[in-house]
Amino acid sequence: DQQVKQNSPSLSVQEGRISILNCDYTNSMFDYFLWYKKYPAEGPTFLISISSIKDKNEDGRFTVFLNKSAKHLSLHIVPSQPGDSAVYFCAARRTGKLIFGQGTTLQVKP
Amino acid sequence: NAGVTQTPKFRVLKTGQSMTLLCAQDMNHEYMYWYRQDPGMGLRLIHYSVGEGTTAKGEVPDGYNVSRLKKQNFLLGLESAAPSQTSVYFCASSLSSGGANEQYFGPGTRLTVT
Repeated sequence: DQQVKQNSPSLSVQEGRISILNCDYTNSMFDYFLWYKKYPAEGPTFLISISSIKDKNEDGRFTVFLNKSAKHLSLHIVPSQPGDSAVYFCAARRTGKLIFGQGTTLQVKP
Repeated sequence: NAGVTQTPKFRVLKTGQSMTLLCAQDMNHEYMYWYRQDPGMGLRLIHYSVGEGTTAKGEVPDGYNVSRLKKQNFLLGLESAAPSQTSVYFCASSLSSGGANEQYFGPGTRLTVT
């Protein structure tokens, strides 16, 4: 039973355009949602989070949107840069523990 | 300030052998975690600790044991390695479980069991 799903294994966008990464969840008891970025041979690094009582959080080029009725969140990166090429994981928190999605590999082409 | 470090970076084991993975953090974090990452599966929580001397099971604890004798260290043990434990193991730490519970990850240990 996968409670957090990232249905797109990969995404390719042109430099300067918008990247939209999606994540769906099934458990309405999650209280926070987080996005992590991972480069090859490195550990994941925290990117941005959103509380379940909010619907949007922004940090520079990164914006996370939460649609609780659809149990869906998305990460927007504008404008995309080649250095954004990485694997992106969404994670949902419940009782202090994180449950991760499978990850989406983003490639930003120059 | 090294953050979260993991030892070793790579290891190859034969089935039935044992080993211990070491995680160390210098951020004075209370919470520490061990995850495994397998292709197409994301990260799955093995065990975690909410403070020195305490440990608890995560999503996939079978075949692993942990110990947190010092606040800064969290050890993951495999008593009798199996090929199904071939994976990349990540340690993480966080200040608390409040707020977004932002976790800081180590660089990972790639383990192959033959």
